[in-house]
Amino acid sequence: GNSVTQMEGPVTLSEEAFLTINCTYTATGYPSLFWYVQYPGEGLQLLLKATKADDKGSNKGFEATYRKETTSFHLEKGSVQVSDSAVYFCARRNGQNFVFGPGTRLSVLP
Amino acid sequence: NAGVTQTPKFQVLKTGQSMTLQCAQDMNHNSMYWYRQDPGMGLRLIYYSASEGTTDKGEVPNGYNVSRLNKREFSLRLESAAPSQTSVYFCASSARDNSGNTIYFGEGSWLTVV
Repeated sequence: GNSVTQMEGPVTLSEEAFLTINCTYTATGYPSLFWYVQYPGEGLQLLLKATKADDKGSNKGFEATYRKETTSFHLEKGSVQVSDSAVYFCARRNGQNFVFGPGTRLSVLP
Repeated sequence: NAGVTQTPKFQVLKTGQSMTLQCAQDMNHNSMYWYRQDPGMGLRLIYYSASEGTTDKGEVPNGYNVSRLNKREFSLRLESAAPSQTSVYFCASSARDNSGNTIYFGEGSWLTVV
């Protein structure tokens, strides 16, 4: 079926640590892939996206590369900040439908 | 810069009461969606509308109805609220699937059914 799986949280890191949040997907064809971020009390906001194999999406120091061979779209950041504390959702789009992963809560401690 | 606007932001209902969540978008998007978000469950699609005049069930449609009033507005109705419908509801919209058009979310509506 069509689904998105991402690593279980919560993830707790110290400021300036390296972040990886794994995401894998199943889908027919080549869906567009996204990472969204949700800050407390708000809706989801687009963080970055990639629309074809080997594309790298990047924004605010976050990066993710569309890996067709491993059906993955892992989120990385080299040095996290306290302000990055939020819930992160991996998602894929096929046609009109978006499928979201369960979300990974990140807490960054000063 | 409104984007997707949904109301009300907070609501407390008694079991059996009805209510309508309103949603409007000003981005001329064809598709609109209603999701619910529960702890540990992520986002689950309730209903969506691919274009004006059409609606389709999502993953968890039971207990809800929707109306695509026009291209801008997409409302969600709870006819007889139940405690299991306590959740945070998000309206969203997107343009047609073309080069990774993203989905835009409203700020959420916190609903408690007692």
